[in-house]
Amino acid sequence: GQQVMQIPQYQHVQEGEDFTTYCNSSTTLSNIQWYKQRPGGHPVFLIQLVKSGEVKKQKRLTFQFGEAKKNSSLHITATQTTDVGTYFCAGQNSGGSNYKLTFGKGTLLTVNP
Amino acid sequence: ETGVTQTPRHLVMGMTNKKSLKCEQHLGHNAMYWYKQSAKKPLELMFVYNFKEQTENNSVPSRFSPECPNSSHLFLHLHTLQPEDSALYLCASSPQPGLAITYEQYFGPGTRLTVT
Repeated sequence: GQQVMQIPQYQHVQEGEDFTTYCNSSTTLSNIQWYKQRPGGHPVFLIQLVKSGEVKKQKRLTFQFGEAKKNSSLHITATQTTDVGTYFCAGQNSGGSNYKLTFGKGTLLTVNP
Repeated sequence: ETGVTQTPRHLVMGMTNKKSLKCEQHLGHNAMYWYKQSAKKPLELMFVYNFKEQTENNSVPSRFSPECPNSSHLFLHLHTLQPEDSALYLCASSPQPGLAITYEQYFGPGTRLTVT
């Protein structure tokens, strides 16, 4: 079945440093979504990428979707303590169910003030 | 506040008990989902309902029984669970998927289940 791998599993940074998490799918995706889960919280939708090579920005966050639509990345510039949490990617398999998202294990980001 | 509520927030049950988890969404969505979140594992999709009809059952053991009486409410009935079923159970909702794409999902706060 479809697998979505996410690296790194953990990342600890000093406040102000940049952070990147990578997501790789074993199959071609029709779209990919990113979610953030604060400690003790629930996943919150951040963004959806649909087009090959798409790049979207949200303030200090930059999201990319690979040309082959099998990988994606999330980059945070100048991290802040409010960025702490687990970042998940979730992919919809191309040609697969419209209801099913396959989630990566997530990257836990901690920020030292 | 995401507009998706779940009760109870915490539940401890023995292996012979029967309990139910409840989810309610106030977003006017047509699709609702149950996920299981265990430590060191990815979010696992369990069930999907669209317009009250079950569209996905991700090979979930029969000790988990979903019920969707309408597009706003979703239940997960639990019976004879095992300790390895202890996890955070998350409910989510979304607009009805399009022809070739699924939309963002809005998650509830989850029910932390412990099976003793």
